[in-house]
Amino acid sequence: KNEVEQSPQNLTAQEGEFITINCSYSVGISALHWLQQHPGGGIVSLFMLSSGKKKHGRLIATINIQEKHSSLHITASHPRDSAVYICAVGNAGGTSYGKLTFGQGTILTVHP
Amino acid sequence: DAGVIQSPRHEVTEMGQEVTLRCKPISGHDYLFWYRQTMMRGLELLIYFNNNVPIDDSGMPEDRFSAKMPNASFSTLKIQPSEPRDSAVYFCASSFDREGETQYFGPGTRLLVL
Repeated sequence: KNEVEQSPQNLTAQEGEFITINCSYSVGISALHWLQQHPGGGIVSLFMLSSGKKKHGRLIATINIQEKHSSLHITASHPRDSAVYICAVGNAGGTSYGKLTFGQGTILTVHP
Repeated sequence: DAGVIQSPRHEVTEMGQEVTLRCKPISGHDYLFWYRQTMMRGLELLIYFNNNVPIDDSGMPEDRFSAKMPNASFSTLKIQPSEPRDSAVYFCASSFDREGETQYFGPGTRLLVL
């Protein structure tokens, strides 16, 4: 079973700051997902990646397969970015393909 | 597309009662997942289906929990009998049958067992 660790657990920033959230996992994966959960509880999938880097607006996600590590960056942070960011990894191969193991989440608060 | 639809959105019941949660995945998606989220344990995968067939149910906590997918557009998660520790938010998600495809989450069902 994969172990997924996120850091930091809590993060407070001022509007405009550059933010980085980290995710490490222990065994091989099929893909890594970054999810955003807003205070209302809804979950949105931000990125799914298996190599390299992806960018969407002010969000950038990178993954290093060799180091079993991924980062989520937010540029020019805004109070509306305040949410819980969750890293999840899909286990590679066999009947567990696609099954996600979740990190505990990073609570981000961006102050105006 | 309307996205993943779950019902009910909220459910309050008494211990010992049967609870049935429903999910309609996005049309054309081949995978369907049931998750549970609690403050203590975070998000956990309970079971997932591929083409209506249960693939991995190792996350189902005990025999009181059962899930079915009678067709490609409908799935249920049933708890019988319910217990207070089952109180949680239950999410359904679906995805295409492609390698590493992203999952789309429903709004969740908030269950409170008294």
